[in-house]
Amino acid sequence: EIVLTQSPGTLSLSPGESATLSCRASQSVKSRYLAWYQQKPGQAPRLLIYGASSRGPGIPDRFSGSGSGTDFTLTISRLEPEDFAVYYCQQFDDIFTFGPGTRVDLK
Amino acid sequence: QLQLQESGPGLVKPSETLSLTCTVSGDSISGSSYYWAWIRQSSGKGLEWIGSIYDSGTTHYNPSLNGRVSISVDTSKNQFSLKMRSVTATDTAVYFCARNEFFGNRRFDPWGQGTLVTVSS
Repeated sequence: EIVLTQSPGTLSLSPGESATLSCRASQSVKSRYLAWYQQKPGQAPRLLIYGASSRGPGIPDRFSGSGSGTDFTLTISRLEPEDFAVYYCQQFDDIFTFGPGTRVDLK
Repeated sequence: QLQLQESGPGLVKPSETLSLTCTVSGDSISGSSYYWAWIRQSSGKGLEWIGSIYDSGTTHYNPSLNGRVSISVDTSKNQFSLKMRSVTATDTAVYFCARNEFFGNRRFDPWGQGTLVTVSS
């Protein structure tokens, strides 16, 4: 089973700043099998990025994904107030697994 | 607009069977070229994929659940269901259903709002 590690655990930033979130896999992941989600309190996760770098439907272009192999990155440029949330990466390799999440909170 | 809604008991006794249903609206499960999934979230284990089903009835399960799970589909009602046997307190979680792309990319989108299931006597 591929284990995903996300860092940092918490990122404290101000609106307008950029956020760089890391997802590292214990083994190589096919790029098309890597996705990112955003979750706000009391809500279901929402798809942001799939295929490592493709934005989901209706996702603003300030969200971008990159990476390959074992190292993937989600970048949020110019944080908006509604972007403060928890972000998860997800992979597939026979089974789906999720990372533990990175919380982006208000500094 | 595709929407999914979970339903079922919020409280289940230990050793009994947890049963949930997901009702899909805005698209048909049948012939959609998507799988349909159950995912849970607990404070202890984070997000955990439970399993996915295709309209033909083909299923894929997370082996970590030790064969306690079965997922079925009722295309006439546009619903799919989860049964989890012999539950314990560690099965307490918010359970989500989601549409699951399984050909090409691998992603869950959209998700239902989730339903909290507590396992307690």
